[in-house]
Amino acid sequence: GAGVSQSPSNKVTEKGKDVELRCDPISGHTALYWYRQSLGQGLEFLIYFQGNSAPDKSGLPSDRFSAERTGGSVSTLTIQRTQQEDSAVYLCASSLSQGLNTEAFFGQGTRLTVV
Amino acid sequence: SQQGEEDPQALSIQEGENATMNCSYKTSINNLQWYRQNSGRGLVHLILIRSNEREKHSGRLRVTLDTSKKSSSLLITASRAADTASYFCATDPYNTNAGKSTFGDGTTLTVKP
Repeated sequence: GAGVSQSPSNKVTEKGKDVELRCDPISGHTALYWYRQSLGQGLEFLIYFQGNSAPDKSGLPSDRFSAERTGGSVSTLTIQRTQQEDSAVYLCASSLSQGLNTEAFFGQGTRLTVV
Repeated sequence: SQQGEEDPQALSIQEGENATMNCSYKTSINNLQWYRQNSGRGLVHLILIRSNEREKHSGRLRVTLDTSKKSSSLLITASRAADTASYFCATDPYNTNAGKSTFGDGTTLTVKP
C-alpha cells in the first residue's frame, strides 16, 4: 500500500481478554517499529524488527506482550489478559533500514481501550 | 526519564507569529528528527538533522542542532492555524544497533486564527 496501515483503528475490549493488533508496513521497508502512546504523553518504544527478527524487545512492558513478523512484512502485536493500564494508542512505523537514519513512516495507530 | 524532552509543554500564538520549540537530550546521537502529530494519531515526519549538521531548513521550518549543549530547536515561521498540533523530537542514539528512537513528551502548539 501507499502508507503504513494499522488495524483495527479502534478496539474496545474487556479486561482479561486477549487482543491482536496488526501492522502492514510500506512494501520493501525492512525495519518495523511498535510504539505505545498514553494520553498526552510521548511515544514509548516497545519493539523493533529488522526483517523477521526482533533484535530489541526491551521495551515490551511485560510478558503479556508479544510481537511477531512474518515474511518480512506484516506484524502483529498481541496483548494477553489485557489490563486497564494497557489502554493507549499503539503506533507502528516502518523504514527502509534500521535505525531512524532514514525517515520512518507511521500508521494512524490503533486506539485500545480496556474496560 | 525520556532521552528527548521538549520545551515548552504547551505554546499558544496568533496566526502569523513565529513558534519556537526546544528539545534537549542526554546521550550522544546519530541524528535527531522532528515529527508532528495531529489529534493524537499518526506522526508525520518533518525534518531530520544529522549530528554533523548545525542547521536545516524545509519550507517554513528551521531546525538547529547544538551537540555541545545536546539541544535542538524547531522554528515555524509565519504560523498558520493548520500548524496546530503536537510536535515531538526523536533521537537516534549513537552507536546503537537497536534501531529504536526515543521520543519526548512533545510540545502542544495552538495557533489562533
